[in-house]
Amino acid sequence: AQSVTQPDARVTVSEGASLQLRCKYSYSGTPYLFWYVQYPRQGLQLLLKYYSGDPVVQGVNGFEAEFIKSNSSFHLRKASVHWSDSAVYFCAVSYNNNAPRFGAGTKLSVKP
Amino acid sequence: EAAVTQSPRSKVAVTGGKVTLSCHQTNNHDYMYWYRQDTGHGLRLIHYSYVADSTEKGDIPDGYKASRPSQENFSLILELASLSQTAVYFCASSDLWGGNQDTQYFGPGTRLLVL
Repeated sequence: AQSVTQPDARVTVSEGASLQLRCKYSYSGTPYLFWYVQYPRQGLQLLLKYYSGDPVVQGVNGFEAEFIKSNSSFHLRKASVHWSDSAVYFCAVSYNNNAPRFGAGTKLSVKP
Repeated sequence: EAAVTQSPRSKVAVTGGKVTLSCHQTNNHDYMYWYRQDTGHGLRLIHYSYVADSTEKGDIPDGYKASRPSQENFSLILELASLSQTAVYFCASSDLWGGNQDTQYFGPGTRLLVL
């Protein structure tokens, strides 16, 4: 069965450090790929999305993600995190015209 | 700015009781969705709708009904609430079908506790 895996439930980094949040999916084709962020007491907001073209896609607030087809991965990166980046991050995958399926989320805590 | 609101924001219900969760969007979007989130799990699709007066089953529709009386409003109904339905429920809307790369806009969620 198709699935989306975010292997890290929690990640803690220091402010100014680089960040990578991992996402892997199980699907043989090329799906639509999304990263959403959920700030405390708010709904999910889109950070970025990808379907084709340059495998490195830029998003809001300095986030980017790289699609690696051979690894079925779509990891999220940021060069230098800020305390305001503390939130829960969700990877989502859509394929065969189905509604997006979401990973369990990674809670990011940024230490001052 | 796209806006999706949900009410109530939190609710405590009794087992066997009826619960209605409401969602309102001002985005003029055709598609609306209900998801549930359980601790340690991703969002799972319960029901969705692409036009008023019509709803479709998602991945986990058992125990839930949905109602779309207008383009702006989409309700999720638990006729006989059960302990296993304790979760956070999210409503979302999108202009086009979310399976076609279209961005979904989410509400803030409703925390439901069934006792």
